[in-house]
Amino acid sequence: EAQVTQNPRYLITVTGKKLTVTCSQNMNHEYMSWYRQDPGLGLRQIYYSMNVEVTDKGDVPEGYKVSRKEKRNFPLILESPSPNQTSLYFCASYKQGALGFDEQFFGPGTRLTVL
Amino acid sequence: GDSVTQMEGPVTLSEEACLTINCTYTATGYPSLFWYVQYPGEGLQLLLKATKADDKGSNKGFEATYRKETTSFHLEKGSVQVSDSAVYFCALKDTGNQFYFGTGTSLTVIP
Repeated sequence: EAQVTQNPRYLITVTGKKLTVTCSQNMNHEYMSWYRQDPGLGLRQIYYSMNVEVTDKGDVPEGYKVSRKEKRNFPLILESPSPNQTSLYFCASYKQGALGFDEQFFGPGTRLTVL
Repeated sequence: GDSVTQMEGPVTLSEEACLTINCTYTATGYPSLFWYVQYPGEGLQLLLKATKADDKGSNKGFEATYRKETTSFHLEKGSVQVSDSAVYFCALKDTGNQFYFGTGTSLTVIP
């Protein structure tokens, strides 16, 4: 089944304790992206990657890191989480078709609480 | 920078009523426009898209037309069902690979 998976789905942590949220897709998509969803703000793009070893900042990259060492994986790293990073996080991937952008597939989300 | 503004919610409609959710955008260049739907506890799913001016995207009875002159991409459905209850997001993709989403509009359809 074609899908984007994220782990963990739920995480409660404390300020300053490094964490990683994993994202994996099995569709051989070149592009992957991370978003955070907050009430009243919709989804905001954190980082995106156009291919292995190629990453770019989105709208709200501060406090986050990413890496793209393999095509299928795109982990989101919070080196020193703070309470304002409490949010619902979505990973997504898509394939650039011959006629341009195709469809973006979203993972199920990771709900992070930073105390 | 680019941005998307969509109608505030929540919206509550009776079954078989007409739906319109307004969406306007600000962008340089020629963005692609999308509507996504999010059901409770799930990720977003693409509902429809339009990649150039005057294109009409349609799916599951929903439709939206890319209007460059009014920078709009309003979502419409002639007769909503209870199963359409969800949160709807308007979004644009710029000519690079950056996406911008609206704040979402919650729709509840009552029998």
